[in-house]
Amino acid sequence: DTGVSQNPRHKITKRGQNVTFRCDPISEHNRLYWYRQTLGQGPEFLTYFQNEAQLEKSRLLSDRFSAERPKGSFSTLEIQRTEQGDSAMYLCASSFLGSSQETQYFGPGTRLLVL
Amino acid sequence: AQTVTQSQPEMSVQEAETVTLSCTYDTSESDYYLFWYKQPPSRQMILVIRQEAYKQQNATENRFSVNFQKAAKSFSLKISDSQLGDAAMYFCAYRNHTFNDYKLSFGAGTTVTVRA
Repeated sequence: DTGVSQNPRHKITKRGQNVTFRCDPISEHNRLYWYRQTLGQGPEFLTYFQNEAQLEKSRLLSDRFSAERPKGSFSTLEIQRTEQGDSAMYLCASSFLGSSQETQYFGPGTRLLVL
Repeated sequence: AQTVTQSQPEMSVQEAETVTLSCTYDTSESDYYLFWYKQPPSRQMILVIRQEAYKQQNATENRFSVNFQKAAKSFSLKISDSQLGDAAMYFCAYRNHTFNDYKLSFGAGTTVTVRA
């Protein structure tokens, strides 16, 4: 069990560019979550998947954001036409449906800076 | 929507002493889960302790224990015998116990500093 991994760990981009982040959950975890954390704040929920189905999206997830989990394994989060307000840490977490506690395990995050 | 409030932005504790972090939450649900997560500097968030709302007994995990007051909607974390490795940001989080509602709602966090 290697834990949740996220790539890249850091991304610097210019306003208006598109960026894509990847999350690899713990193997056999069927639920995957994306959160956004701005400096000095707690994480805020963005969206979650159960297997390949995206079951909930937050109001925070504007039309410029899209997330996929095509084969129910890894997930990608794309931000189109980035804005300076998108600068944040993007956290991925996974959990196993059916476990008694269904703890969400977090990855190290991708820190995005939009110039 | 559920809100989670952590009113202490920073707490400092002497090594080997005890510190208590406060958390209050707002919900109309009767069944839910509460969590404390630890986020060390530049490292990933890990679960410290969890509490099911239907359980009256307070959860404990080694040096970490909670004081869960359901009527007051309060969920504090006590760290006993503080160690240097406890220095981190601590987040209180809430989750409904509702089918297909598994998202966590977090407080703003409390930064804990441990003095040697």
